[in-house]
Amino acid sequence: GQNIDQPTEMTATEGAIVQINCTYQTSGFNGLFWYQQHAGEAPTFLSYNVLDGLEEKGRFSSFLSRSKGYSYLLLKELQMKDSASYLCAVNGDYKLSFGAGTTVTVRA
Amino acid sequence: ETGVTQTPRHLVMGMTNKKSLKCEQHLGHNAMYWYKQSAKKPLELMFVYNFKEQTENNSVPSRFSPECPNSSHLFLHLHTLQPEDSALYLCASSQDADRNNEQFFGPGTRLTVL
Repeated sequence: GQNIDQPTEMTATEGAIVQINCTYQTSGFNGLFWYQQHAGEAPTFLSYNVLDGLEEKGRFSSFLSRSKGYSYLLLKELQMKDSASYLCAVNGDYKLSFGAGTTVTVRA
Repeated sequence: ETGVTQTPRHLVMGMTNKKSLKCEQHLGHNAMYWYKQSAKKPLELMFVYNFKEQTENNSVPSRFSPECPNSSHLFLHLHTLQPEDSALYLCASSQDADRNNEQFFGPGTRLTVL
């Protein structure tokens, strides 16, 4: 199985930067996903990393180090609408396992 | 309709009731999934169907019974549930379960068992 750890909660100010870390242990690694989930809504895809390095998509970036079993999601220029839960998910042997999610609260 | 839809969005049932959750995907995908999401816990994978065949049953109690009549529809039949089964049940789909494809999620059914 996979062990996926991420912080439970983070708080940041509008316009700031927040980095959400995720560590994992898995066999048959086939990629790491980040999803955003607003309260009462479906998780929506944010990013996918399968090779080491940084993937940038507008205000959101995701980093992966396979040798360290580590990823982070970087949210820049935070907006109030970014308040949500962020889920780290690891594909191991083609089975997707999720972390418990990090609730990010953006304050004015 | 686009994406992944789920009905009902909310369901309250007694422990002796029988009910069904429905999921439909309009993305032309071949894999469909049921997940359980409880408060402060990771999403738990329950079942996987790939090309209409069940490929994963993650030790789910038999009071949950999935059905996949075709690649676009997925049901979860519920009977004799327990209060601890109260959770958000999410359906998802992807192009193929045997690849590392992105999964698209439905809005979920909020289930309360009394």
